[in-house]
Amino acid sequence: GEDVEQSLFLSVREGDSSVINCTYTDSSSTYLYWYKQEPGAGLQLLTYIFSNMDMKQDQRLTVLLNKKDKHLSLRIADTQTGDSAIYFCAETDPDNDYKLSFGAGTTVTVRA
Amino acid sequence: GAVVSQHPSWVICKSGTSVKIECRSLDFQATTMFWYRQFPKQSLMLMATSNEGSKATYEQGVEKDKFLINHASLTLSTLTVTSAHPEDSSFYICSARPRDPGGETQYFGPGTRLLVL
Repeated sequence: GEDVEQSLFLSVREGDSSVINCTYTDSSSTYLYWYKQEPGAGLQLLTYIFSNMDMKQDQRLTVLLNKKDKHLSLRIADTQTGDSAIYFCAETDPDNDYKLSFGAGTTVTVRA
Repeated sequence: GAVVSQHPSWVICKSGTSVKIECRSLDFQATTMFWYRQFPKQSLMLMATSNEGSKATYEQGVEKDKFLINHASLTLSTLTVTSAHPEDSSFYICSARPRDPGGETQYFGPGTRLLVL
């Protein structure tokens, strides 16, 4: 089965850039996702990248995909206190592209 | 944008009772809905996939008689936790997949926190 791994914690100073890393195991995943979860809430889709892309930028968010190393990263520019949350990466099941496998989540804490 | 709601947002019940959680897609039709479970400080674990008008597909290790899923319409799926026990206490999140999802395969609800005493 799929196995998605993330570092558990990241602390960043307000205004700096945050980089959250993720590794996945299934190279045939169609899409890779980044979700944000604030305390007590559900998941909010931040961005996603199609597997034939290397990079995707959306305002403060930049996603980099290295298929050779099966490495996905999310860069948040000019990190704000509102960015404090848990960030999950997820990959699609190659046999069913609507099934997602999630990493354990990275807790990002933004300090003043 | 696509909105998915869940009701209730939180529930406390006594051990042995059954609890029903609703998941609704508010502005789109969802051919497929998913139910996840999340323990504190852990990731989401897929419990089952619910297709409108057919039986749900459960993930390995999930008891289908314990967690009853009904997907009666294209906008509503329900999860019933039968004879709930304290170990069923968790955060239950649903998601819904639109007919033509493109890259965004599913939209998530806000979650339902269940506490069984």
